[in-house]
Amino acid sequence: NAGVTQTPKFQVLKTGQSMTLQCAQDMNHEYMSWYRQDPGMGLRLIHYSVGAGITDQGEVPNGYNVSRSTTEDFPLRLLSAAPSQTSVYFCASSSRTVSMNTEAFFGQGTRLTVV
Amino acid sequence: AQSVTQLDSHVSVSEGTPVLLRCNYSSSYSPSLFWYVQHPNKGLQLLLKYTSAATLVKGINGFEAEFKKSETSFHLTKPSAHMSDAAEYFCVVIPIQTGANNLFFGTGTRLTVIP
Repeated sequence: NAGVTQTPKFQVLKTGQSMTLQCAQDMNHEYMSWYRQDPGMGLRLIHYSVGAGITDQGEVPNGYNVSRSTTEDFPLRLLSAAPSQTSVYFCASSSRTVSMNTEAFFGQGTRLTVV
Repeated sequence: AQSVTQLDSHVSVSEGTPVLLRCNYSSSYSPSLFWYVQHPNKGLQLLLKYTSAATLVKGINGFEAEFKKSETSFHLTKPSAHMSDAAEYFCVVIPIQTGANNLFFGTGTRLTVIP
């Protein structure tokens, strides 16, 4: 029962460095998304995907890129890290069918610090 | 437009006393409503979800929430707080007619349980 797996759990970057946060799910979910969590702001949607080859922007997409080449994986790329991207990042997945039984499954989070 | 308002950023209760965490929502579509809990340095865990089968929803660990459409509320309650309930709680809305399972989070309520 792996569910949603995020790596790494912790990361420190220097301003201007690039990195990729990995997210993988083994539930054959079509829908995957990335959120960032900041104090007092809840979780905000960065990017999402409704299936392989399809991605779209969420509420706070600037500074982040995504791609979805397989159903299982949805990596988040920071091309040039900035201190404002210091946050905790969560990946989520769910089945595509939107219904009253929809539930999102979350990874354990990646705590990113940009210095 | 969709939004979620958690009326209290911090709630403090004594162990053994009732818990009330308040949530109001706004949705252009019939909403699917959830409460998630996040323990310190952990991911998000589903507490309960509203599926339209009943307005009073029972979740894990003795938590309940009541959907009141006329008040657009989905408050979370528990009759008797336990030390292990100390965590951050998020009220979440999915507008089920948008075709994408985007979650809209409240800003969270931190629950402190005093021994």
